[in-house]
Amino acid sequence: SYVLTQPPSVAVAPGKTASISCGGKSIGTKSVHWYQQKPGQAPVLVVYDDTDRPSGIPDRFSGSNSENTATLTISRVEAGDEADYYCQVWDGGSEHYVFGKGTKVTVL
Amino acid sequence: EEQLVESGGGLVKPGGSLRLSCAASGFTFRNYNFQWVRQAPGKGLEWISSISSSQVYIFYADSVKGRFTISRDNAKNSLYLQMDSLTVEDTAVYFCTRGGGAWPNWFDSWGQGTPVTVSS
Repeated sequence: SYVLTQPPSVAVAPGKTASISCGGKSIGTKSVHWYQQKPGQAPVLVVYDDTDRPSGIPDRFSGSNSENTATLTISRVEAGDEADYYCQVWDGGSEHYVFGKGTKVTVL
Repeated sequence: EEQLVESGGGLVKPGGSLRLSCAASGFTFRNYNFQWVRQAPGKGLEWISSISSSQVYIFYADSVKGRFTISRDNAKNSLYLQMDSLTVEDTAVYFCTRGGGAWPNWFDSWGQGTPVTVSS
């Protein structure tokens, strides 16, 4: 089955840029979606279709996807961005949705 | 306001059954695909089942196939998950999610989740 690989954790200072990778075989051919989950809360969609943002999501959140790696970038990081972030794709071969294991973003 | 509210979770013994419900409001339920996603304690997100708006397409994760059944009632604006032959590995918070865009979807709206504990 299709596997998405994310780093377990990323640490970033306030005001700096955080980059979260999501690796997968030829992931550049798939649409990648990203979710933010804060402790005790339901996940929230922050980027869909590789690069698009739902209404209400700040433009500090951006996405890219090429070849074997998709990336979620958080610019001008704020304390409120501290959360777990998950990437997700549809694997047509298995007809399953797949999530990465998640990346914990810590704001120093 | 668009809202998804899950119910039906609780404590059940191994081998038992439980039926989860998800009540939708604030949007036209019948136009959307839906999914169930779960999260075991301290773990990540796991997709477990999807159903299309017309109920023609239904998919299950391998971990629940043959034990769980997803269904919907468009007249009642409700999504369901019948869970049978439960094991301790099914202990998790279960989220109802709405599919955004055309199939295959992103998950653009989530309920707050209902906890399921399988324990003797």
